[in-house]
Amino acid sequence: DAGVTQSPTHLIKTRGQQVTLRCSPKSGHDTVSWYQQALGQGPQFIFQYYEEEERQRGNFPDRFSGHQFPNYSSELNVNALLLGDSALYLCASSLDGQGAYSPLHFGNGTRLTVT
Amino acid sequence: GNSVTQMEGPVTLSEEAFLTINCTYTATGYPSLFWYVQYPGEGLQLLLKATKADDKGSNKGFEATYRKETTSFHLEKGSVQVSDSAVYFCALSGGGSGNQGGKLIFGQGTELSVKP
Repeated sequence: DAGVTQSPTHLIKTRGQQVTLRCSPKSGHDTVSWYQQALGQGPQFIFQYYEEEERQRGNFPDRFSGHQFPNYSSELNVNALLLGDSALYLCASSLDGQGAYSPLHFGNGTRLTVT
Repeated sequence: GNSVTQMEGPVTLSEEAFLTINCTYTATGYPSLFWYVQYPGEGLQLLLKATKADDKGSNKGFEATYRKETTSFHLEKGSVQVSDSAVYFCALSGGGSGNQGGKLIFGQGTELSVKP
């Protein structure tokens, strides 16, 4: 049973560029959430996708956008990269309908470095 | 707004020592509480959870009790092993109406190092 997979594992970009990160949820899951984890900090919620729409959003600027495909996989896009966007980006999947109790299954993350 | 505060690390213990990692929270309503663990180079894994006051979550020898009166969810283990070395995150979800899950608020993490 494949868990959450993310690609690429590492990425180096230059300030001002755009980046796309990809995530495939755990088999049977239909909801994908994205988190940003700065070095030495806890993850911060970016947004969540369900039924191909953004359902919840954290306190992140519009430079951060996403997409969910019919097969439930998801992309995170970041435009106009800033040095402060350097972080580990985590994708988490879950099954809708369990509300606040639903445990998340996390991928190993994509390490983004902006130079 | 909702928030989670954990004791600062790193915490260094000898094998078989007793572990406590403190976690307190601020939330409206009745949140669900979680402990996640992050091993080096890996994503987060759910360690245990509790969904209502006085619930005790447990897994792999770790325990935590949801204390609404003290707004706490401290993580404990009676005898740690070298393999428990990791970063531990306390997190909450919900507490308000209409929460659809998936939106966790994390503490800053506590690094645990267990020496043989």
